[in-house]
Amino acid sequence: GQNIDQPTEMTATEGAIVQINCTYQTSGFNGLFWYQQHAGEAPTFLSYNVLDGLEEKGRFSSFLSRSKGYSYLLLKELQMKDSASYLCAITGGSYIPTFGRGTSLIVHP
Amino acid sequence: GAGVSQSPSNKVTEKGKDVELRCDPISGHTALYWYRQSLGQGLEFLIYFQGNSAPDKSGLPSDRFSAERTGGSVSTLTIQRTQQEDSAVYLCASSSTGTGAYNEQFFGPGTRLTVL
Repeated sequence: GQNIDQPTEMTATEGAIVQINCTYQTSGFNGLFWYQQHAGEAPTFLSYNVLDGLEEKGRFSSFLSRSKGYSYLLLKELQMKDSASYLCAITGGSYIPTFGRGTSLIVHP
Repeated sequence: GAGVSQSPSNKVTEKGKDVELRCDPISGHTALYWYRQSLGQGLEFLIYFQGNSAPDKSGLPSDRFSAERTGGSVSTLTIQRTQQEDSAVYLCASSSTGTGAYNEQFFGPGTRLTVL
C-alpha cells in the first residue's frame, strides 16, 4: 500500500517563502506530483519529480529524495492568489496516483 | 482545445435514488480516472480506464458504484441507491497515457453530489 503525509494547514505572509513538506511510504515508486487546488475548483498540475533533486519552475520549486521518502514544494515571493490547497501525489507500480489529504496554505497581507 | 468537462456541476438527490455523472475527457487522452473528494479530505481513487483494457475498479467503495467508458471517450459513473455518505465532489481526470512514468492528469471541474 501507499501512505502520504502532509501538514493540514500552513500560514505565511505575502512576499515570503514557504516550504510544504510531503513524506510518503510506498512499496513501489515511479514519481511524485504536486497539484494546486483553489477552493471550489479542480486541481491543476504544478510539478513532477522522478529523480532526486530540485526542479525549479518560476516561483515554485519541488524537491525529491527517494531514499528518504520525502518531497517539498517551495513557493517564493508569495502572492495572495497562492492561497490554496497543495496536494502531494505519488505513483507506484500501477501508475494510478495516490493523493495526500492536501495542505491548506493561507497567505495573509 | 477544450479541457475535461463534467456534468452536471451540481446534483441534489434523495437517499435511495440512482444518479449518473458524466465525464468528457480531453480528446485523444487514453487514460481516464474518477476520484471522490469529501470536505477537507484528499482525493479518493475510484476507478481507472486505460484504452481498451479492462478498468481498474479497485477503488470503488461498494457494488452500488459502477462506471463505463464508451468508445474510449465519454465516461459515466453510476451510483445506485444513493446514501448520505455518498455526498462529495466527484472529479474526473484524463491523461495522455496511463502508463509510463509521466502522466500529468487534467481534471474536470467536478460534480458536487448532495444526498438528502
